[in-house]
Amino acid sequence: AQSVAQPEDQVNVAEGNPLTVKCTYSVSGNPYLFWYVQYPNRGLQFLLKYITGDNLVKGSYGFEAEFNKSQTSFHLKKPSALVSDSALYFCAVRKTDKLIFGTGTRLQVFP
Amino acid sequence: DGGITQSPKYLFRKEGQNVTLSCEQNLNHDAMYWYRQDPGQGLRLIYYSQIVNDFQKGDIAEGYSVSREKKESFPLTVTSAQKNPTAFYLCASSILTGNDGYTFGSGTRLTVV
Repeated sequence: AQSVAQPEDQVNVAEGNPLTVKCTYSVSGNPYLFWYVQYPNRGLQFLLKYITGDNLVKGSYGFEAEFNKSQTSFHLKKPSALVSDSALYFCAVRKTDKLIFGTGTRLQVFP
Repeated sequence: DGGITQSPKYLFRKEGQNVTLSCEQNLNHDAMYWYRQDPGQGLRLIYYSQIVNDFQKGDIAEGYSVSREKKESFPLTVTSAQKNPTAFYLCASSILTGNDGYTFGSGTRLTVV
C-alpha cells in the first residue's frame, strides 16, 4: 500500500541554523512527491514537488528537498531558518488519482 | 485569478442543526476533495468527487453529505448525525491525472455552540 511517513511530530531549530524536516515514502513505481506548508487557520500552500530529473528540487521561500530513491526519502531543507518559517509542514505522494498525505511536522524556529 | 474559494471562514452550529460549507473553484479541475483537520493534527479525507454527479466516501464520511451538481462546486453538509463536528474543514481540487498536486482553499472553521 502507498504511504508517507513523517517521523517527527515537531522540529525545533534556532533562527539562522539549517533545518531538515524528514519524509519517507512507500509506493510502487516512480513517485510524484510534494511538500506543502500550512500557517495557522489557513489552507495548505504548495512548496515544491519532485517528478523526475535532478534529485535536488528547489521551491518557494528558499526551501529545497532532496529525493533519495535508495532510502525512499524526500527530506525538506533550508540552509538558514527564519522565525516566519514556523508552521505545519506536510509531505505527500501522488499515485494515480489521489494524494496521500503524511501526518504533518510542526516546525518551530526560535529567535 | 484562478483559485478555490471556501465560505464562510467561520461558522457556528447549534446542536441538532445541519450546516453547509461552500467550496467553489474556477480552475477547471475535475476532482474535488473535502478534508477534516483537528487541532494540531493531520488531514482526514471525508468525501471526494472526480466527475459531476458522482462522489465517493473517504475515511470519515459518517455524518457528512456532499453533492456535485456542477464542476465548479462541491458543497459539504455537516448533519446532526455528526456528533463531534468542531474542526477545521479544507476543500481542495486537482486535475485527475498527471503529476500536479492539489490546490487548497483557505478553510472553514466550524464550531458547535
